[in-house]
Amino acid sequence: EAQVTQNPRYLITVTGKKLTVTCSQNMNHEYMSWYRQDPGLGLRQIYYSMNVEVTDKGDVPEGYKVSRKEKRNFPLILESPSPNQTSLYFCASRDIRYEQYFGPGTRLTVT
Amino acid sequence: LAKTTQPISMDSYEGQEVNITCSHNNIATNDYITWYQQFPSQGPRFIIQGYKTKVTNEVASLFIPADRKSSTLSLPRVSLSDTAVYYCLVGDDVGSARQLTFGSGTQLTVLP
Repeated sequence: EAQVTQNPRYLITVTGKKLTVTCSQNMNHEYMSWYRQDPGLGLRQIYYSMNVEVTDKGDVPEGYKVSRKEKRNFPLILESPSPNQTSLYFCASRDIRYEQYFGPGTRLTVT
Repeated sequence: LAKTTQPISMDSYEGQEVNITCSHNNIATNDYITWYQQFPSQGPRFIIQGYKTKVTNEVASLFIPADRKSSTLSLPRVSLSDTAVYYCLVGDDVGSARQLTFGSGTQLTVLP
């Protein structure tokens, strides 16, 4: 089954404690992205990647890092999380067409 | 990127046809129109995409007039499970992973 998986699905952490949210896709897609969704602000792109070792900033990259060492994986790294990064995070992948496949989401709370 | 305008919310009853219109006055020649559906706490899901005239698939139809300045997503005979937020996206990002902007979307509520 074609899918995008994210882990963990829920995470509560404290300010400053580094964390990583993993994302994996099994569709051999070249393009992958991370988004955050906040009430009233819609979906905003954090980072995106067009292929292995090729990443670029989206609309709200501050406080986040990503890496793309393998085609299927695109982890999101928060080196020093802050409360304003409390949000619902989605990973997505797609091929050259427009249809994006989104993961189930990771609900992060930073206290 | 073309800006889109959609109604904030719509209500409908089960079994009715629902039409959600999206305005995109500054759509460019190469832009496509894409609609996504999102349920609470889930990632958006692709519904349909079109360039002009009419596109139909197993879940929806997309109507695009000749001037392409608007489009209408048509959901036939909605059920309670169609309650969701619907997003209209316009743009041309072939060859780029750069995201087409998701606006605020239209909250569709289907009532029994």
